Amino acid sequence: QTVVTQEPSFSVSPGGTVTLTCGLTSGSVSTTYYPSWYQQSPGQAPRTLIYSTNTRSSGVPDRFSGSILGNKAALTITGAQADDESDYYCVLYMGGGIWVFGGGTKLTVL
Amino acid sequence: EVQLVESGGGLVQRGGSLRLSCAASGFTFSSYWMSWVRQAPGKGLEWVANMKQDGSEKYYVDSVKGRFNISRDNAKNSLFLQINSLRAEDTAVYYCARVRVRNTSSYLFYFDSWGQGTLVTVSS
Repeated sequence: QTVVTQEPSFSVSPGGTVTLTCGLTSGSVSTTYYPSWYQQSPGQAPRTLIYSTNTRSSGVPDRFSGSILGNKAALTITGAQADDESDYYCVLYMGGGIWVFGGGTKLTVL
Repeated sequence: EVQLVESGGGLVQRGGSLRLSCAASGFTFSSYWMSWVRQAPGKGLEWVANMKQDGSEKYYVDSVKGRFNISRDNAKNSLFLQINSLRAEDTAVYYCARVRVRNTSSYLFYFDSWGQGTLVTVSS
């Protein structure tokens, strides 16, 4: 069974830079998994941030960026702000009409 | 503006059934794959099912196969999820999401718009 891994939690100082990752328990994440990233604040619907590894969704500030780092997909937030404190989810397209979400990372800005 | 509005959630007994609906507006519904994604209380997101534009292809996460059925009515710009044989672990907020499969030049495979969700609670 394919499991998509994310750090359960992370903290960053205001103005700092943080990189969240998205991996696989077996194998490497590549662009062929079309990794995408979503931000979710408590009680809210997810918001699409990044798709196709590194393309920002409409209206997303350029301090959010996506990439492949080593064998994982990565979401980097540069110049973190207080309202970036949220849960962040990656999802990978596994082919055959199937997607698998990671468990999410709870980001604290303090 | 793309809008997705879910409805049909509620409290249901274990073993019962429920039909969720998603009303779409602001875009040509019949041109998009659509998905259901759920989130159990305090847990992460889980992709549940999706359906091709014309309904000819459907896919499900293993845990719901044989119990859930995704369908759509393109004439009414609506997506549905029939949930049968409900279990405690089906308790979740169910989100309707629009899927972008590709643009004119490349594949994309992501969820670009989300509804606000509808809560399904399964009681024992």
